[in-house]
Order: sequence, then structure tokens, then C-alpha cells
Amino acid sequence: DADVTQTPRNRITKTGKRIMLECSQTKGHDRMYWYRQDPGLGLRLIYYSFDVKDINKGEISDGYSVSRQAQAKFSLSLESAIPNQTALYFCATSRTGGSDTQYFGPGTRLTVL
Amino acid sequence: KQEVTQIPAALSVPEGENLVLNCSFTDSAIYNLQWFRQDPGKGLTSLLLIQSSQREQTSGRLNASLDKSSGRSTLYIAASQPGDSATYLCAVRGNTPLVFGKGTRLSVIA
Repeated sequence: DADVTQTPRNRITKTGKRIMLECSQTKGHDRMYWYRQDPGLGLRLIYYSFDVKDINKGEISDGYSVSRQAQAKFSLSLESAIPNQTALYFCATSRTGGSDTQYFGPGTRLTVL
Repeated sequence: KQEVTQIPAALSVPEGENLVLNCSFTDSAIYNLQWFRQDPGKGLTSLLLIQSSQREQTSGRLNASLDKSSGRSTLYIAASQPGDSATYLCAVRGNTPLVFGKGTRLSVIA
């Protein structure tokens, strides 16, 4: 089984809908991250969490919210999806005190019509 | 604000060639620099991580160097193979989590 899983893998939705993307990890890491990837713009950080009670905004947090339900779970929500949120979304994990290497999930392709 | 630039954006080479991918960053106050590989439609795989106190790291045919003072890193791939075809991303960690470059798309032609 994959160490970092994301659900769903693909999602098509309409403008104005609420969407939740989920990330789970079995690596035992305390740090988790959400990124989006757009053609020509690279990966940009949306939110990150260094433990269950810690949530921090990244470079592009507007229009998004997150929930760290447990050490192993970190969810990203789009409260009212808009077309420019169409992108590939990645979750990643790392471990405090470790090498700082981040481990990425397979991604969720989100299309907002 | 940290900015990371990767040159070239795309590269095509014949199999067997040695090649160098370049990464530059604007703020030299970093903790580490990481190189990732991304296959089409897939997630990222970490290749090498260089701490700010290190000058280089090696893994198999890959060698990454870091010159923190000049804000540069290179990824050297020896004896390239078609299986090396992918996008290679450079990312730096400073006071905030990783800031990524836009990547270099590598094609190795058999």
C-alpha cells in the first residue's frame, strides 16, 4: 500500500460547490502539506501543519481551508469552488527531526466547470 | 520572497549523454535544497536532499551540488537512459516550507 494516499484521484465539479480533498499517511510523520500544481506555475504551497494543533497558511491560501483530524489525516476544502481552482493538488508529509525530505501523494486532479 | 528558477525549461538528449540541470535561488538563507523527479500525471519522488552545510550529495548516477553563497545548485545525471525522462524539480527550504522551481522537462532519446 502507498504511504501517502489521496482521495479522490479525479474530481469534476461545478462552480459554487463545496469540495473536500482528503489525504492520509501511514508513515507516522507529524508534518503535512497541501500544494497545487498549475502548468507554467510549478507547485505552490496552500497550507501546512506541523502537528495536529498547528495550521499555517501558505503562499496561496485564499479560497481554501484545511482540517487536521488526526496526525495521519489532513483534509483540504474548497468552500465555493471556482474555475481558476482547476489544478492538480498534492499532499505531502515529512518528519520533525528527520532529514526534512517530503514524501508526496499521487495527486488529485480537480476540474471546476 | 524566495524565488527559484530552473534552466533550461526543457531538454532533449540522446541516450548515454551526461547532462546538467540548473537551479538558482534568490535568498541564500536556506536550510536545505531538494531535487525531485515527477513522471507525467504522477506525484513527486525525492531524489536528493542537500543540507545547507553540505556541498554535494550523490545517489547512483545522480550528483547534486550546492553553492549557497551564489544561490545555485546543479543536478548532474551520468550516462542518461530513456527511463530518466521526466520533469526534474528543485525546491529550497528556508523559514517557510519548500519553494519550488517550475522544473526542467527532460527527454532522453533512445
